[in-house]
Amino acid sequence: QQQVKQSPQSLIVQKGGISIINCAYENTAFDYFPWYQQFPGKGPALLIAIRPDVSEKKEGRFTISFNKSAKQFSLHIMDSQPGDSATYFCAASGGNTPLVFGKGTRLSVIA
Amino acid sequence: EAEVAQSPRYKITEKSQAVAFWCDPISGHATLYWYRQILGQGPELLVQFQDESVVDDSQLPKDRFSAERLKGVDSTLKIQPAELGDSAMYLCASSPRSGGRYGYTFGSGTRLTVV
Repeated sequence: QQQVKQSPQSLIVQKGGISIINCAYENTAFDYFPWYQQFPGKGPALLIAIRPDVSEKKEGRFTISFNKSAKQFSLHIMDSQPGDSATYFCAASGGNTPLVFGKGTRLSVIA
Repeated sequence: EAEVAQSPRYKITEKSQAVAFWCDPISGHATLYWYRQILGQGPELLVQFQDESVVDDSQLPKDRFSAERLKGVDSTLKIQPAELGDSAMYLCASSPRSGGRYGYTFGSGTRLTVV
């Protein structure tokens, strides 16, 4: 049973555009929602994270929007750049439990 | 910047052979995780260590997989015998404490191909 459902599977965005990736979860015990970025041949790296007591968190061009009632959260990448081309994973955990990851979204930013 | 070291980077092995992967976490990180990432999928937890103790190995196929962290520092994941379906990236991550909220640092992984 997949605990975190991520969409879309792949995404192509023009340089300067907005990239949006969505995730949904079922487990109401989850209280930490990070996004990880992975480049080919590398392990995932933490990009940005949010807790359910806030609805939005912004770090530079990256924003997480969180909807607790809908049990959904999304990553927005503003002014997308070719260097943002990577695979993005949403994840979730509750308390001291390990992260569970979505299946990933492969983002390609084209000039 | 501190890194999680993994070796080898790539491993090709024949079906039914034994294979082992090594991970050296960030110094002082008490929690160590092994994840498996099948091509095109997200990482899936295999085993979690807190110091030298196994905290969660519920998803580890124990008939063929074993993991240890004898001195609570580096760790080894072994597969014996390897099967074709074991082809994947094996990722090690470490964290100061147990729980996703404390931030994982992943290594670059070991890409296993079973032929």
